[in-house]
Amino acid sequence: QLVLTQSPSASASLGASVKLTCTVGSGHSSYAIAWHQQQPEKSPRYLMRLNSDGSHTKGDGIPDRFSGSSSGAERYLTISSLQSEDEADYYCQTWGTGMVFGGGTKLTVL
Amino acid sequence: EVQLVESGGGLVQPGGSLRLSCAASGFTFSSYPMNWARQAPGKGLEWVSYVSGEGTTVYYADSVKGRFTISRDNAKNSLYLQLNSLRAEDSAVYYCAREHLFDYWGQGTLVTVSP
Repeated sequence: QLVLTQSPSASASLGASVKLTCTVGSGHSSYAIAWHQQQPEKSPRYLMRLNSDGSHTKGDGIPDRFSGSSSGAERYLTISSLQSEDEADYYCQTWGTGMVFGGGTKLTVL
Repeated sequence: EVQLVESGGGLVQPGGSLRLSCAASGFTFSSYPMNWARQAPGKGLEWVSYVSGEGTTVYYADSVKGRFTISRDNAKNSLYLQLNSLRAEDSAVYYCAREHLFDYWGQGTLVTVSP
């Protein structure tokens, strides 16, 4: 069964960088994922598609501060030069015969 | 500009039915598969259903299989979700989203199942 695992929370200081992790379940380490951001009281927003080789394609208008990388079954979202508006929930998501979301990571900007 | 606008949510009693709609614009609707996802209050995102661009292939989450039906009308650039036999645990904001990447999301429509 296709499963995505995320840490429930993360925090980092204003202006710093943070790296969020999404782990693809056993047997699916070659799967691409998508990252989504959901700011408080807003709809989710697509950030990027991230492939197993680390190549990624960002959505319209996504700043350069957002980047992705991969290592084995791990998929990463790095946000640099953190701003207050980056405080949000971040979800990874993938697809097969059906779609799967990770549980989400709540990012706090200190 | 791609736009997805959901409608049809509301308050319904357990066991009742609702039909959600999603009006799409700004892209060739028939060329893209579409999804419904939902988010219960204070919870994470949950995928609900998928339909291919032609409408011939559909998938459902186990939690809604046999109760919900996804469909689309490409002539009207519209996506639908028929919700039957509703339960309290179906209460959520329902979003439509484009293709397997969920690269565009609507603003959501709230469904509340309560006596």
